[in-house]
Amino acid sequence: DQQVKQNSPSLSVQEGRISILNCDYTNSMFDYFLWYKKYPAEGPTFLISISSIKDKNEDGRFTVFLNKSAKHLSLHIVPSQPGDSAVYFCAASARSGGSNYKLTFGKGTLLTVNP
Amino acid sequence: ETGVTQTPRHLVMGMTNKKSLKCEQHLGHNAMYWYKQSAKKPLELMFVYNFKEQTENNSVPSRFSPECPNSSHLFLHLHTLQPEDSALYLCASSRGLAGGSTDTQYFGPGTRLTVL
Repeated sequence: DQQVKQNSPSLSVQEGRISILNCDYTNSMFDYFLWYKKYPAEGPTFLISISSIKDKNEDGRFTVFLNKSAKHLSLHIVPSQPGDSAVYFCAASARSGGSNYKLTFGKGTLLTVNP
Repeated sequence: ETGVTQTPRHLVMGMTNKKSLKCEQHLGHNAMYWYKQSAKKPLELMFVYNFKEQTENNSVPSRFSPECPNSSHLFLHLHTLQPEDSALYLCASSRGLAGGSTDTQYFGPGTRLTVL
């Protein structure tokens, strides 16, 4: 049973436009969410995160939105650049139970930004 | 460059071989992790160490044997693996195990393992 789902395996956008990557989760205990970015032949690198007490977190071109009632989060990249082409992983953790370091990952979405 | 290195980057081994994966972090972190990423599957947590002590074994078969001699080094010893163990093995580290915004996990580049 997948608790974190990224239903779009791939997304293609034009340079300069907005990229929207989506993530859904089923576990209502999740209260911290992260996005990681992965280039080929490299490990995932942390991009941006959001706590469940917020509904938006912004860092430069990257904004993460959280809709707790829908158990949905999204990553917006504006404007998209060719260097943003990578696989994006959504991850979630729960603070309860003393295992808040345990990240549950989605399968990833391959973003391609075309020049 | 995340400050977490892994060697080798690629490994091909037979089912009867014994090999080891190495991870080293240069970030002064206290917690280290092994993850497995199989094709078309999400990253799966395998083991967690905090201050050299194992705190998590996520029901991993005994043919995978981790070792953490100090907070900077983590090994994964492999023996009598199966072809289905072929995957990308990723190491990560964090300052601690508080999670959330306090202890972001930083990943190494991974070892691509192929079991013949």
